[in-house]
Formats: sequence, C-alpha cells, structure tokens
Amino acid sequence: QKEVEQNSGPLSVPEGAIASLNCTYSDRGSQSFFWYRQYSGKSPELIMSIYSNGDKEDGRFTAQLNKASQYVSLLIRDSQPSDSATYLCAVNDYKLSFGAGTTVTVRA
Amino acid sequence: GAVVSQHPSRVICKSGTSVKIECRSLDFQATTMFWYRQFPKKSLMLMATSNEGSKATYEQGVEKDKFLINHASLTLSTLTVTSAHPEDSSFYICSAEQVGGRYEQYFGPGTRLTVT
Repeated sequence: QKEVEQNSGPLSVPEGAIASLNCTYSDRGSQSFFWYRQYSGKSPELIMSIYSNGDKEDGRFTAQLNKASQYVSLLIRDSQPSDSATYLCAVNDYKLSFGAGTTVTVRA
Repeated sequence: GAVVSQHPSRVICKSGTSVKIECRSLDFQATTMFWYRQFPKKSLMLMATSNEGSKATYEQGVEKDKFLINHASLTLSTLTVTSAHPEDSSFYICSAEQVGGRYEQYFGPGTRLTVT
C-alpha cells in the first residue's frame, strides 16, 4: 500500500504571502506526482503535475520534486483569498494514492 | 480541455431503490475511469477502477453487487447504487484518465446522493 503524507495543517497565511505545502511518499519507484485543489463541497481539480526532479512553474504555483528524498512540494506565491482550499498531494502508478490534504486559509 | 461531467449533480432517493450516476469525458477519450466516494471532511476513497469493455476492479471492502459499474465506451462510465440505504448517502466522484496520457486524472463535479 503506497503511503502519501502531507504536512498536517491547517495552514493560515496572509494575503500576498507564500504558502508552502509538503508531501512525502513511500514508494521509491513512483513516477507521477500531482497536486489537486479541492474547495469545500466540490470535487478535486488538478493544478499541477510533475514527473522529473526539479521545479515546475505554472503561474503562481511551483511544484518541486526530489525523488532521492521522496519529497514533493507546492509553493503558492502571492496567495489570494481564492486560494483558500484543501490541497491534495497524489502519487499515481495506475491509481492515485492521496495524502490526507492540507487546508490552506488565506487571510485578507 | 480535459472536462469530465457527471449527472445528476444531486439526487435524493428512497431506501431500497436504485440510482444510476453517469460520468462522461467530454473532450477526450478515457482509457480508465475511476469511482470515488467522499464523506464530509474525509479523504477520497477509491471504490473501483473501470476500463472500457472490461469488468471493473473493486477495492477491498466495496461490494461489487451493490455498486454496479459499466464502462460502455471510451467516454462513458456509469455507477449504479442498487438497493440504496441511508448509509450509502455520500458524495460520489468519478475521474477519467486520458488515452496516451501520463496518468493524470481529471475529476467530474461529483454527485451528492441522499438516501431517505
């Protein structure tokens, strides 16, 4: 059983700050990593995918992957109140294994 | 791109009846579709994986005779909750994986089922 662990949260950041989310995974052979955002009462939305070591940037989001450390992170720059949601780290080898999620609240 | 729809978005049914939920990939073909359920403030729980034209693979503890899955085409999968009971009330979400993709799953908006 693959394990995916996220920093427990909740995480509260002021508007305009950087929110940093961390995730570790147990299967060293994992190849595909994803970050999903889930607003309360809604389904998950894919915001980032990363497959290679290093950084991947998409707008205000940056995903970082370090396979040697079995670690993947998500940075949200210039956080906005609309970023307030639960962020799910997921590792996929034929099916997704999710972390428990980190709830982020951006204070205006 | 990569839009998945679900229908209905919300359904209320009486105990003992059956409910069918449809999941469609609108702008891509899906090799594999997945069905999840989620209770309030809890994590997503994978129920089953379905591939077009073959039988679904159910996760441990999920009754295949109660949750019937049909994956009729590369764009349509259905979940039928048979003989529903109040404890089946939950948020059911499907996802689809694109043919030739890199295991990215795109989620439908979910169906909220209430069994009275």
